[in-house]
Amino acid sequence: GEDVEQSLFLSVREGDSSVINCTYTDSSSTYLYWYKQEPGAGLQLLTYIFSNMDMKQDQRLTVLLNKKDKHLSLRIADTQTGDSAIYFCAESPSRGTSYGKLTFGQGTILTVHP
Amino acid sequence: GEEVAQTPKHLVRGEGQKAKLYCAPIKGHSYVFWYQQVLKNEFKFLISFQNENVFDETGMPKERFSAKCLPNSPCSLEIQATKLEDSAVYFCASSQSEGPGNTIYFGEGSWLTVV
Repeated sequence: GEDVEQSLFLSVREGDSSVINCTYTDSSSTYLYWYKQEPGAGLQLLTYIFSNMDMKQDQRLTVLLNKKDKHLSLRIADTQTGDSAIYFCAESPSRGTSYGKLTFGQGTILTVHP
Repeated sequence: GEEVAQTPKHLVRGEGQKAKLYCAPIKGHSYVFWYQQVLKNEFKFLISFQNENVFDETGMPKERFSAKCLPNSPCSLEIQATKLEDSAVYFCASSQSEGPGNTIYFGEGSWLTVV
């Protein structure tokens, strides 16, 4: 079955860039998502990329996709203390009976130090 | 509405009691998904609906768990005879349709504690 792997921890200083990495195994047409979860809260959709794209930028967020290596990264520019949270990478087929059946990574705990 | 609305936010049940959770998808979204998040941040897909029809139920435990999405009503996830291991956060998500450009939005979750 599909598998999504993430590094578990990342610690950065306020103002630096953060890069959270993710690898996945599904080779079919797929969506790749980044969600943010703050303590005791739900999942906030940050951004997503379709598997035929290389890059997507949205304000402070940049997603890079290396299809050959099945490697996805989320870069947060000018990281703020409010960015401290757990970041989940997830993938889902874009259509078909498994649409929306997200496979999540373990989550990366991002800690931002003042 | 403009967000996925889940109720209740917190629910405590004694072992063996029934638990029922509700989810109102974003208006206009025809897909609803239920996920279970347990300790160590693991997410487990439970079931999905396309309108009122079950789309994929491969993650649903065969016993004790059931779910419905009826017209003009919130979707529901029901657990009969809860067990301690059912303690988790249950997330509902919705999506407008399949295909490129459609994304999956999650609610705030319902925290179920079985004691």
